[in-house]
Amino acid sequence: DSGVTQTPKHLITATGQRVTLRCSPRSGDLSVYWYQQSLDQGLQFLIQYYNGEERAKGNILERFSAQQFPDLHSELNLSSLELGDSALYFCASSVGGEEPQHFGDGTRLSIL
Amino acid sequence: GENVEQHPSTLSVQEGDSAVIKCTYSDSASNYFPWYKQELGKGSQLIIDIRSNVGEKKDQRIAVTLNKTAKHFSLHITETQPEDSAVYFCAALVQTGANNLFFGTGTRLTVIP
Repeated sequence: DSGVTQTPKHLITATGQRVTLRCSPRSGDLSVYWYQQSLDQGLQFLIQYYNGEERAKGNILERFSAQQFPDLHSELNLSSLELGDSALYFCASSVGGEEPQHFGDGTRLSIL
Repeated sequence: GENVEQHPSTLSVQEGDSAVIKCTYSDSASNYFPWYKQELGKGSQLIIDIRSNVGEKKDQRIAVTLNKTAKHFSLHITETQPEDSAVYFCAALVQTGANNLFFGTGTRLTVIP
C-alpha cells in the first residue's frame, strides 16, 4: 500500500459528460502529480501541484483542470469527455519534488 | 523535453534466470531515475531508484545501473520468480523545479515457472 488513495476506482460515463477524480496524497506529502496512461502506453504527465499551487504542466488538455485543496487532496476535472479520454488516471505524491513519487492504484475511466 | 525509450516491450524468461530491461534518455540534465512495477489492476510501485551521482545500486535481487555518458540505465532482476511477472516502467526526472517524471513505454515481463 503506497498510502496514496484514489477514488473512484472505476468510472463509466458517456461522451460530452464531466467527471471528477479524487486523490489523497500520503500523509506529509505536499506534492501531487496527475498522470494519464492510455492503452499500451506509458504514463504521461498531466499536471503537478505543490502545497496548493500549480507547479508544472505537461500534456494536459484545456478540457482538463485540476486543483489542490488546503487539506492537500487534489481533484482532476475532465469535461466534454471524448472516447479518446478513456484511460487510467494515476495520482502520485511526494514530500516535495526531489523525493520519490508514490502512486495510487488509479482510476479507470471508460467513455461509452 | 525529455524523451525516454525502453526496450524490450515484452520479455519472457524462465524462472531462476535473469532479466534485463534497458532505457535511454535524451536530456543530459536528468538526474533521477526510478523504476516502477505495475501489476494488473494496481498502481505503479517504486521498486528501485538511482541518482546521477551513483553508477549502480542494488537491493536484493534487483539492481540498477546508470551510464550518464551514454545516457542509458538498466534494470537487472536476478533469480526471477513468477511473482516478478508484471509491467516495468523506467522514468527520468529533471529536478529543475518542475519535477515531473518522463516514463518509458513499459516492458511486460513474464516469468515462466
